[in-house]
Amino acid sequence: QKEVEQDPGPLSVPEGAIVSLNCTYSNSAFQYFMWYRQYSRKGPELLMYTYSSGNKEDGRFTAQVDKSSKYISLFIRDSQPSDSATYLCAMSLEGKLIFGTGTRLQVFP
Amino acid sequence: GAGVSQSPSNKVTEKGKDVELRCDPISGHTALYWYRQRLGQGLEFLIYFQGNSAPDKSGLPSDRFSAERTGESVSTLTIQRTQQEDSAVYLCASSFSNRPQHFGDGTRLSIL
Repeated sequence: QKEVEQDPGPLSVPEGAIVSLNCTYSNSAFQYFMWYRQYSRKGPELLMYTYSSGNKEDGRFTAQVDKSSKYISLFIRDSQPSDSATYLCAMSLEGKLIFGTGTRLQVFP
Repeated sequence: GAGVSQSPSNKVTEKGKDVELRCDPISGHTALYWYRQRLGQGLEFLIYFQGNSAPDKSGLPSDRFSAERTGESVSTLTIQRTQQEDSAVYLCASSFSNRPQHFGDGTRLSIL
């Protein structure tokens, strides 16, 4: 069993939809939780960063962490075609990041 | 505004050759990380530097892989006697202390 599980998709939604992306994890020692966005042939770009259970909002993005269920989510409101990318969840353990496999999102006009 | 810079952006080489990949971190970032991303997969941790020392090399797949960092700045990842399974994108990230990691665009390595 992988330490971090993420549905690879692809997920295809119409412009304006609310997108929900999720990861589950098995190691309760994970300290920080992140979401990265990766466009084709580019490096991952940090979107959200949190260390506690609860919600964190930044513009159209909301990150949710539930440590008791070992579950994290990223919500994207009013999705745009420019949001089309691969979304990677990541969790930190003693400095290094453990990544999910990424969910490929396609937002069509 | 300099982000993490990696070179070369693409590298094609023959099986059995050695390759050297370079990473220039964000200025002032004390920690530097190397990851590997195989096609269709998530990132896989290779090695981490704090300053010039490497407290965690646990992700290096074999003794053909090595890395060094000098001057608390530039790092090189060396792969000796390359194999086809080494084909991947090699990503470098840097951070200040335990703050979030910021990534370069990677080196796309293809072994023929």
